[in-house]
Amino acid sequence: DIQITQSPSTLSASVGDTVTITCRASQAITTSLAWYQQKLGEAPKLLMSRPSILESGVPSRFSGTGSGTEFSLTISSLQPDDFATYYCQQYHFFSTFGQGTKVEIK
Amino acid sequence: EVFLVESGGGLVQPGESLRLSCTASGITSGDDAMSWVRLAPGRGLEWVGFIRNRASGGTTDYAASVKGRFTISRDDSRNMVYLQMNSLKSDDTAVYYCSRCRGSTCFYVSWGQGTLVTVSS
Repeated sequence: DIQITQSPSTLSASVGDTVTITCRASQAITTSLAWYQQKLGEAPKLLMSRPSILESGVPSRFSGTGSGTEFSLTISSLQPDDFATYYCQQYHFFSTFGQGTKVEIK
Repeated sequence: EVFLVESGGGLVQPGESLRLSCTASGITSGDDAMSWVRLAPGRGLEWVGFIRNRASGGTTDYAASVKGRFTISRDDSRNMVYLQMNSLKSDDTAVYYCSRCRGSTCFYVSWGQGTLVTVSS
């Protein structure tokens, strides 16, 4: 099975900050990685896949990079609506999610 | 727009069975693989399993934690996906989400609102 290590588990930031979340795969997954945002009590929302292709309607302050085993999600100029939990997911071989990163208000 | 609606959750005792249903609307039946993903209290998202689209034969695969106990099926004529859960354990307590893949590639473009399954004596 492919394991995904996501860090940090919690991230404290202020509106306007730029934050980065990273995911590391236990083996190469080419570019088969997606990012999701989940707010409390809601279903996850797909932000981007492969891993830099933004879904329609997702603000351009979200960006994703990486290939192989190292990936990152960057949120530039954090907005109040961005405080949520973020997950990465590999879909190279079946599916595995990272442990999640809670972005909270500092 | 695609809508997914799960149903069938509830409180069951350890060892019992439960079947979850997912109704899809706004999509062409059979074109997309479908998955079940769960969110347990205090834990992150966990992939449960998926069923491939019609073009890929509609076969299934499961996470190791549920393999042999859970079965996913689909009825494309009714736009339904099912999750049959047997021999339930307390660790299976979670919100279960039905999710739609993009064709045969399983990142999840649509999600239902989730249904809560509680396994407790």
